[in-house]
Amino acid sequence: GAVVSQHPSWVICKSGTSVKIECRSLDFQATTMFWYRQFPKQSLMLMATSNEGSKATYEQGVEKDKFLINHASLTLSTLTVTSAHPEDSSFYICSARDSGAPQDTQYFGPGTRLTVL
Amino acid sequence: DAKTTQPTSMDCAEGRAANLPCNHSTISGNEYVYWYRQIHSQGPQYIIHGLKNNETNEMASLIITEDRKSSTLILPHATLRDTAVYYCIVSPKAAGNKLTFGGGTRVLVKP
Repeated sequence: GAVVSQHPSWVICKSGTSVKIECRSLDFQATTMFWYRQFPKQSLMLMATSNEGSKATYEQGVEKDKFLINHASLTLSTLTVTSAHPEDSSFYICSARDSGAPQDTQYFGPGTRLTVL
Repeated sequence: DAKTTQPTSMDCAEGRAANLPCNHSTISGNEYVYWYRQIHSQGPQYIIHGLKNNETNEMASLIITEDRKSSTLILPHATLRDTAVYYCIVSPKAAGNKLTFGGGTRVLVKP
């Protein structure tokens, strides 16, 4: 099946710093990528939809100036958590839509665990 | 998007078939049924999806009732590695595959 990678797999940072997370589709081109957040013992919550070459669409309640998304190529989307605070500590997961495959479905990365001290 | 209802948890015996139910009584005509699973501390893994016909792949079978108000995911021979949270999601395929995750079913496969 299609492979999506994320980097880094985990990161620890100090409060007030910014953290960038990369999401790559390794064997297909993804015009659409998604960013999710998952807190402990909770389900995934969609944060934003990222379309290549255009501005991301954010879900209600997600601050676009805090969570900067860039989708500059068909295989790479980045999420930057700006001025991170302890409440931003979470498991961030990206996914990519493989619209070229017969199944036209969404494949997920392995996730990035962010801990803000 | 239509909501889904799944059991909170269920246990399965290793080597036996695991049948995971999902209710989606408000599903509309253009919505597909997707199944994903998430093993602890990993990203969700795509399993299968369908519209109205039953589907089968190397991982599982998806049985959708004729009225499409419910479905069952079947893992034919559960192994310990199938222990995970299983999510049933309905979504219009044309909507960029935007997926809304509910609580899912926590499946524990026991030896």
